[in-house]
Amino acid sequence: ILNVEQSPQSLHVQEGDSTNFTCSFPSSNFYALHWYRWETAKSPEALFVMTLNGDEKKKGRISATLNTKEGYSYLYIKGSQPEDSATYLCARISNFGNEKLTFGTGTRLTIIP
Amino acid sequence: EAQVTQNPRYLITVTGKKLTVTCSQNMNHEYMSWYRQDPGLGLRQIYYSMNVEVTDKGDVPEGYKVSRKEKRNFPLILESPSPNQTSLYFCASSRTQNNQPQHFGDGTRLSIL
Repeated sequence: ILNVEQSPQSLHVQEGDSTNFTCSFPSSNFYALHWYRWETAKSPEALFVMTLNGDEKKKGRISATLNTKEGYSYLYIKGSQPEDSATYLCARISNFGNEKLTFGTGTRLTIIP
Repeated sequence: EAQVTQNPRYLITVTGKKLTVTCSQNMNHEYMSWYRQDPGLGLRQIYYSMNVEVTDKGDVPEGYKVSRKEKRNFPLILESPSPNQTSLYFCASSRTQNNQPQHFGDGTRLSIL
């Protein structure tokens, strides 16, 4: 993996169902992974920042896991609600001594009532 | 209220006419950054600054300038705008450490004719 890649690009989920999507990134020189939630016509809002292999973070019905050795992170949403409809972005920071963030292109989630 | 403020929110202008997009944060954050958002390409970092008088190129710096004379302000300057700089621009700030989330402004939609 050379860049940050997110899959799927888009997803439609029935209200009440649980779902998950993936962020893949270069595992070498890893420092931190960010997840953001971006609603239409608004600005991205931070969900999680994770740094350690095996990290798990939770915020309400949303949780994330991190595997730095194989270069992936999963975002899980339990019991999807219409307000979960948004684009979910991940961004990677390397440990080259700078703080350049590289974002994926996002997963657009639509919850069907 | 903690916030990142960008101005203007919308601008339509013509090729070659210099413009500046201002960004100001009231959280005493060391790190500030500019991104552009284009369909299918995700958020791409233009420039970032780790502190006053310290700026660095992101992934797409061509055609842009920045300055960081004060901690709270990080203006984005387009000396000679061209149509390929038509985009949605976001300013963001955070504390310096790589494990701190970015706080985003509301975005500036620029159209260069």
